[in-house]
Amino acid sequence: DTGVSQDPRHKITKRGQNVTFRCDPISEHNRLYWYRQTLGQGPEFLTYFQNEAQLEKSRLLSDRFSAERPKGSFSTLEIQRTEQGDSAMYLCASSFRGTSGYEQYFGPGTRLTVT
Amino acid sequence: QKEVEQNSGPLSVPEGAIASLNCTYSDRGSQSFFWYRQYSGKSPELIMFIYSNGDKEDGRFTAQLNKASQYVSLLIRDSQPSDSATYLCAKGGNNRLAFGKGNQVVVIP
Repeated sequence: DTGVSQDPRHKITKRGQNVTFRCDPISEHNRLYWYRQTLGQGPEFLTYFQNEAQLEKSRLLSDRFSAERPKGSFSTLEIQRTEQGDSAMYLCASSFRGTSGYEQYFGPGTRLTVT
Repeated sequence: QKEVEQNSGPLSVPEGAIASLNCTYSDRGSQSFFWYRQYSGKSPELIMFIYSNGDKEDGRFTAQLNKASQYVSLLIRDSQPSDSATYLCAKGGNNRLAFGKGNQVVVIP
């Protein structure tokens, strides 16, 4: 069991640039989630996929944000025209429906700094 | 009203003591609850989940759920310095987790 992986782990970009993050879920997990966490706060839900279908998007996900999971495996999160307020930890989680429910397991996160 | 509230400030406990953390939630229909541990600069790590009223024990951790009063608690017995972290309470559904702000625990050797 290799766990959820995310790449890159850190990203520094200038305001106005586009960035893309990748998440590879646990291999047998069919659900994949993106969250954002800022200092002193709990993670906030952004969006989730079941297989390749994006089933829910938070209102936090402005039109500058887009996420894909083209073959139901890895996912990408792109932020266009980054703003300083986008600086945060971007967390990916995955889950599989077990006998009890959906327990989500997080990857190590991508820390974004917008200068 | 926030979906999940964790209002306690940092909790300092002596090594070997019991740390007690609480959170409340607003949606009476919520069914599943989770506790995550987060070390500084790291991502959340799932340590407990509970779906039924009552207690659930796993090693030194006990989660308690009271749906009538809409609160969830986490007890850490025999606290160790390695338990020093922020503990996040979350409620789930099929689609997403809603987190509280977290409670910082400091275990003093």
